[in-house]
Amino acid sequence: GAVVSQHPSRVICKSGTSVKIECRSLDFQATTMFWYRQFPKQSLMLMATSNEGSKATYEQGVEKDKFLINHASLTLSTLTVTSAHPEDSSFYICSALGLALPGYEQYFGPGTRLTVT
Amino acid sequence: EDQVTQSPEALRLQEGESSSLNCSYTVSGLRGLFWYRQDPGKGPEFLFTLYSAGEEKEKERLKATLTKKESFLHITAPKPEDSATYLCAVLYNQGGKLIFGQGTELSVKP
Repeated sequence: GAVVSQHPSRVICKSGTSVKIECRSLDFQATTMFWYRQFPKQSLMLMATSNEGSKATYEQGVEKDKFLINHASLTLSTLTVTSAHPEDSSFYICSALGLALPGYEQYFGPGTRLTVT
Repeated sequence: EDQVTQSPEALRLQEGESSSLNCSYTVSGLRGLFWYRQDPGKGPEFLFTLYSAGEEKEKERLKATLTKKESFLHITAPKPEDSATYLCAVLYNQGGKLIFGQGTELSVKP
């Protein structure tokens, strides 16, 4: 099956620093990757859509200068949380969509737990 | 407004007690409906995709069905390892964007 990895799985950082999260599709080429945020006991909230080689499209209310997304290759997208604050603490999950996968099936990474102190 | 609603929010079953989870949607022009399983602290695991009313898919103790307004995830003779949150999502557009429901937290007791 299609496998998506994320790194790191957990990160703790100090307020004001930046953190980079990587999302990789391991066995398929991902033309599109999505970044989600999930709060405890809540569903996934889409933050942005990234297509390889082009600028990400952000959902309403998501600060593009704070959450920098780069989709540099067909297997890698990165999310950088800049000048992190405690309210950015959350579970961040990426998903990947590939043309070789049937009918828009989307596969998710294991998630990254970010804690900002 | 496009919306996906799951019910119940939580469901407690005894091992072997079959039941169904509901996902109702109001989306213009459904392009696909997805079911995922999510364990605590992990990313969603893909279960099924349904594309048209009347379609059914099965995997072990799970069976997903789709009508024009809702989808059901039937769980037959569940086991404790089926305990998880089950998420339903609707394909919003051709770009692959999904709208998620709030999920149903299933707990199966031995």
